[in-house]
Amino acid sequence: EIVLTQSPGTLSLFPGERVTLSCRASQSTRSLAWFQQRRGQPPRLLIYGASSRATGIPDRFSGSGSGTDFTLTISRLEPEDVAVYYCQHYGSSPIFGQGTKLQIK
Amino acid sequence: QVHLVQSGAEVKKPGSSVKVSCKISGDTFSSYGATWVRQAPGQGLEWMGGILPIFRTTKYAQNFQDRLTIITDESTNTAYMDLSSLRSDDTAVYYCATTNLNGLLTFWGQGTLVTVSS
Repeated sequence: EIVLTQSPGTLSLFPGERVTLSCRASQSTRSLAWFQQRRGQPPRLLIYGASSRATGIPDRFSGSGSGTDFTLTISRLEPEDVAVYYCQHYGSSPIFGQGTKLQIK
Repeated sequence: QVHLVQSGAEVKKPGSSVKVSCKISGDTFSSYGATWVRQAPGQGLEWMGGILPIFRTTKYAQNFQDRLTIITDESTNTAYMDLSSLRSDDTAVYYCATTNLNGLLTFWGQGTLVTVSS
């Protein structure tokens, strides 16, 4: 069973800064997605297949990586990006990472 | 546009069961599978199980094997999650989500709070 480890646990940055979130898998996967969960809301799909943006997602969000190391990048942080971000291995045995909380200074 | 609407909040006694519904509009569950994910207060997301469209079979996480049932009723475009033998640590928000052929969770319901308390 794959285990996903996200880092950092919490991140606090200024508006306009570049954000880099990490997700490391215990086994190689190509089925890697990123979700955004704002407070009190259901998760929203941002990225699938490690680097493909879901419909309607702003192009300041990008995903990269392969094998066991993956990154979600927000090119310029905006106030509405405050949320918890989860990576997920999907397929026949889905698993989520523990999440990274993104805050604004 | 696909839209999922879940049933309302529930309060249950320990040892009882809960059934949460999830109605789809804009498409059908014959096109998508249905997956259930839960989130305990202040915690992360936990995959519970789902119907995989490519196999038309249901798979459950090991933690829920003995007490979880997931079905879809294609006549009413509704998915159901039935969790039995409830404990206090089953208190959580339960989400349904559509699942594409690759197992990707694409659209999500608004969530249903289930509180288990004596």
